[in-house]
Amino acid sequence: AQKITQTQPGMFVQEKEAVTLDCTYDTSDPSYGLFWYKQPSSGEMIFLIYQGSYDQQNATEGRYSLNFQKARKSANLVISASQLGDSAMYFCAMREDNQGGKLIFGQGTELSVKP
Amino acid sequence: GAGVSQSPSNKVTEKGKDVELRCDPISGHTALYWYRQSLGQGLEFLIYFQGNSAPDKSGLPSDRFSAERTGGSVSTLTIQRTQQEDSAVYLCASSFGDRLSSPLHFGNGTRLTVT
Repeated sequence: AQKITQTQPGMFVQEKEAVTLDCTYDTSDPSYGLFWYKQPSSGEMIFLIYQGSYDQQNATEGRYSLNFQKARKSANLVISASQLGDSAMYFCAMREDNQGGKLIFGQGTELSVKP
Repeated sequence: GAGVSQSPSNKVTEKGKDVELRCDPISGHTALYWYRQSLGQGLEFLIYFQGNSAPDKSGLPSDRFSAERTGGSVSTLTIQRTQQEDSAVYLCASSFGDRLSSPLHFGNGTRLTVT
């Protein structure tokens, strides 16, 4: 079974609008962390935001927020006020406490921001 | 400070040859990770080091793949008898420990092409 599922291979959004990128995960470990990364066409992996399974509040970092619904095992990334520079691949990832330090990544969502 | 450094940035090799990929992590980062990314795909975990030991080698695809880390710093990923299916971008990352919340910081990768 897939640990991390990103069901949207590609998404389009109009500049200045908000967009939600979906991520669901599968784990039986009560202690885990969820990450989102951005990969522009240049190939670098950029860390965006982190949410811990015991965190009471949804994480926010500037224009990025994480809509964490623990019971549904979803950790959607919300980007507000999209900019042209947001066009990139976005990856959701999970680290399970009982699996050591590795992150398991989803297949990614390609976001295109239209002017 | 300096980020994660990988060399070479590009490597073209003939099928059957051995290759070595190098990773220099961020100074002070104790954890080091290798991932593989095929064109348009997500990141596939290969191996993870904590210090010089590798508690998780579960992602190495075959015994042609090996990795070592010396001095708690530089790591080398070796692929013996390369095959065309080994063609991919090999990404190295490091983190300050392997706590749940520690994000991975990635290098720019080595693009390996096996002809």
